[in-house]
Amino acid sequence: GENVEQHPSTLSVQEGDSAVIKCTYSDSASNYFPWYKQELGKRPQLIIDIRSNVGEKKDQRIAVTLNKTAKHFSLHITETQPEDSAVYFCAALLAINTGTASKLTFGTGTRLQVTL
Amino acid sequence: DGGITQSPKYLFRKEGQNVTLSCEQNLNHDAMYWYRQDPGQGLRLIYYSQIVNDFQKGDIAEGYSVSREKKESFPLTVTSAQKNPTAFYLCASNRGLDSPLHFGNGTRLTVT
Repeated sequence: GENVEQHPSTLSVQEGDSAVIKCTYSDSASNYFPWYKQELGKRPQLIIDIRSNVGEKKDQRIAVTLNKTAKHFSLHITETQPEDSAVYFCAALLAINTGTASKLTFGTGTRLQVTL
Repeated sequence: DGGITQSPKYLFRKEGQNVTLSCEQNLNHDAMYWYRQDPGQGLRLIYYSQIVNDFQKGDIAEGYSVSREKKESFPLTVTSAQKNPTAFYLCASNRGLDSPLHFGNGTRLTVT
């Protein structure tokens, strides 16, 4: 099966600085890589995703890059704000033999703290 | 926001008792999932269902059971065979494949 490693486990940045979270995956057949944000006590919510036919995707202050050769993908948050403080999870989808469902494998999460 | 409702928010049980967690969705999604979340760990897949009357084991299915009698509902039973049931349980749904997962608010189960 798939294995996803995520680093760092905690990240503290000053407001306005950039934050980068990195993930690696093990199965080269994985083809979909979403990122979820989970605020304290709340449900995870999708913030951005990328498919294997694309190398980079941006949405305002958030971007994701994918390096299929190295099997890693990264989340970049620019001009961080206090409301960016949360736990961020990466995930990888291995579609083989799972039919129509999405058998996502999640990383262990990164706790991002944006300080004033 | 609505879409997926999990109940109750907090649940307390004595060791040795089975307990059922509710998950209902009104998004007309075919696929539904149950994840377990423990501190310092990612979300781990317990069971998933692609269509009514069909479900598959995820990575940590031992000690759990599910049913999918209706498209809208995917209840999870935590049995007495689950060795460490205290955790935060999240239900999710999507249209399948690489469509975004929608999560419920979760149920925090404490077994003493």
